[in-house]
Amino acid sequence: EAGVAQSPRYKIIEKRQSVAFWCNPISGHATLYWYQQILGQGPKLLIQFQNNGVVDDSQLPKDRFSAERLKGVDSTLKIQPAKLEDSAVYLCASSPTADTQYFGPGTRLTVL
Amino acid sequence: QKEVEQNSGPLSVPEGAIASLNCTYSDRGSQSFFWYRQYSGKSPELIMFIYSNGDKEDGRFTAQLNKASQYVSLLIRDSQPSDSATYLCAGTDSWGKLQFGAGTQVVVTP
Repeated sequence: EAGVAQSPRYKIIEKRQSVAFWCNPISGHATLYWYQQILGQGPKLLIQFQNNGVVDDSQLPKDRFSAERLKGVDSTLKIQPAKLEDSAVYLCASSPTADTQYFGPGTRLTVL
Repeated sequence: QKEVEQNSGPLSVPEGAIASLNCTYSDRGSQSFFWYRQYSGKSPELIMFIYSNGDKEDGRFTAQLNKASQYVSLLIRDSQPSDSATYLCAGTDSWGKLQFGAGTQVVVTP
């Protein structure tokens, strides 16, 4: 079974630029999550999708972050404009139920 | 703010010994608890989960949950150098939303 796919794996941008991340969950997993993990901290949930609907986006900075999951499969997370404090690893995870979550390899973002 | 707290470590453990990791949580509504292992530069991978009070064993790993004390622990028996990693504790609510701790770094010394 293929795992969660993410791209790009690394991205370096300057502040105020825009960036987008892509995630393809495990086939059949209805729930998809985006997390932000800052160095030395645990992952923080940004947004949770159930199929193509948003379940929780309470910790998503909506003035600069947006996410969508069209057709209930792939998802993209966008930051516009980026700030220095957005430097982190962005993790996508998927799960078949409300229990076990499987993480992708992550995208390491550096904002200069 | 609902929180999951862990000692950051590092926890130094001799090879072959038992590593004991602790986690406390503030949300009494938390139903399920998970332990993830994260190697440096890698994404978290699930070790085990526990829902009920008591112990749950899986190979060299034992998770312990005490909901009255809001306490979760993980024991790693016969620790190996390959167990050197950061261990993340997480609690979930009924929507499946995970609240992670900051992780405990474990270093197994030969």
